[in-house]
Amino acid sequence: NAGVTQTPKFQVLKTGQSMTLQCAQDMNHEYMSWYRQDPGMGLRLIHYSVGAGITDQGEVPNGYNVSRSTTEDFPLRLLSAAPSQTSVYFCASSYSTGGTYEQYFGPGTRLTVT
Amino acid sequence: GDSVTQMEGPVTLSEEAFLTINCTYTATGYPSLFWYVQYPGEGLQLLLKATKADDKGSNKGFEATYRKETTSFHLEKGSVQVSDSAVYFCALKTGNQFYFGTGTSLTVIP
Repeated sequence: NAGVTQTPKFQVLKTGQSMTLQCAQDMNHEYMSWYRQDPGMGLRLIHYSVGAGITDQGEVPNGYNVSRSTTEDFPLRLLSAAPSQTSVYFCASSYSTGGTYEQYFGPGTRLTVT
Repeated sequence: GDSVTQMEGPVTLSEEAFLTINCTYTATGYPSLFWYVQYPGEGLQLLLKATKADDKGSNKGFEATYRKETTSFHLEKGSVQVSDSAVYFCALKTGNQFYFGTGTSLTVIP
C-alpha cells in the first residue's frame, strides 16, 4: 500500500511551458484534491474531485486544469507556466466527502518557473 | 467566506515546556476541525480532529477542543519533545472543501 504518490519530486520550467503533475492513490479513495503551498499563505485548494469523471474548482483554480478518468489518478496540468505558479504542490485523497474522513497527503512536488 | 486564522510563528520552546498554538475559524454551518503536522520535506499528516462543538481531539499528547462559542480550536501539549519540531496547520472542512491556516513553525530545543 503506497498511499498517495506524486511525480516528479522537483521540476523547473520556463515561462510558457506546459507540464503535468502526476498523482496516484491506491486506497480506493473517492475524494482527491490538489493544493499549493506558498510561504505565509498556508495550503490553498486548486481543484478537487469527488469521484471519477467529476471535478470542481477550489480557491485558486486559474492556470490549472484537472481530469479524473479513473479512481486512482488525478493529474494536474499547467498549460502555460508562469512565475506566479512557483510553489510546492500537494495532492491529497480521502475516503469520502462526507463525514470527517481525514485527508492523506502525498510528499509534494516542488515547482520552479523561471 | 470560510477561513482559518492561526497564530504566527515561529515558536521556540525548551523541551518539556507547555505548548499552545491558537486557532480561530470563520465558517457557515457546522464545520469539522483538524490539526495537521508537517515534518521537513514531507506532506501533511493528520494529528487530531473534532467533528462537533465541545468535542476534544487528542493524539500523541496533543489536545484541542472544538469551542463553538469562541470559534476556536487551540492546540495544546503539556510537555513538548525535540521530536515535536514541525509545522502545525489548523484546518476546517465544510462541504467538499478544506481550508487551511498559514501554519505555525515549532522548534523545540533540548
